[in-house]
Amino acid sequence: SQTIHQWPATLVQPVGSPLSLECTVEGTSNPNLYWYRQAAGRGLQLLFYSVGIGQISSEVPQNLSASRPQDRQFILSSKKLLLSDSGFYLCAWSPKGETQYFGPGTRLLVL
Amino acid sequence: QKEVEQDPGPLSVPEGAIVSLNCTYSNSAFQYFMWYRQYSRKGPELLMYTYSSGNKEDGRFTAQVDKSSKYISLFIRDSQPSDSATYLCAMSGHNQGGKLIFGQGTELSVKP
Repeated sequence: SQTIHQWPATLVQPVGSPLSLECTVEGTSNPNLYWYRQAAGRGLQLLFYSVGIGQISSEVPQNLSASRPQDRQFILSSKKLLLSDSGFYLCAWSPKGETQYFGPGTRLLVL
Repeated sequence: QKEVEQDPGPLSVPEGAIVSLNCTYSNSAFQYFMWYRQYSRKGPELLMYTYSSGNKEDGRFTAQVDKSSKYISLFIRDSQPSDSATYLCAMSGHNQGGKLIFGQGTELSVKP
């Protein structure tokens, strides 16, 4: 069966510090991968998605970037965090189909 | 107008009630419809998946899709306190490039 992991689970960072969140998927190959941010209002905002290694599409211009160095690894980064980057970050995978499966999420608080 | 509209609630019902959660959408190209359940501080969990119109039942949960009205529903029978969560509808079509369009989510509370 497939499993998706995210870490860390919780992160508190000062403004201006760098960020690296990692997502890995087990039990599948060549999945579509997605990064979402969920603010307090519960809506899911798609940040990036990837259909293969090195292929990244950005949905919203912002202070973040994403990379996919391996087939089942997706990384979300920032060089300098802003207060507005606080939120709940979710990684999801899809087997090239119509459904997506989410990871447990990373709660980021920027102070 | 948002592509997908969902009443954010909160919705509070007594244990054992039948719950109806709904979403409307504007894009007639949507063909794949999903409901996710999200507990507080957790990632969304896929609950139901339906292709095109019709009903799908899984235990106490029934998903309905009415493409002619651009309206989808999730019914929960004999609701339990453990059903208390936020429910998100999501949908997609062949022209969405693998992306899902989500509703804002409805917060449900089932009181014992």
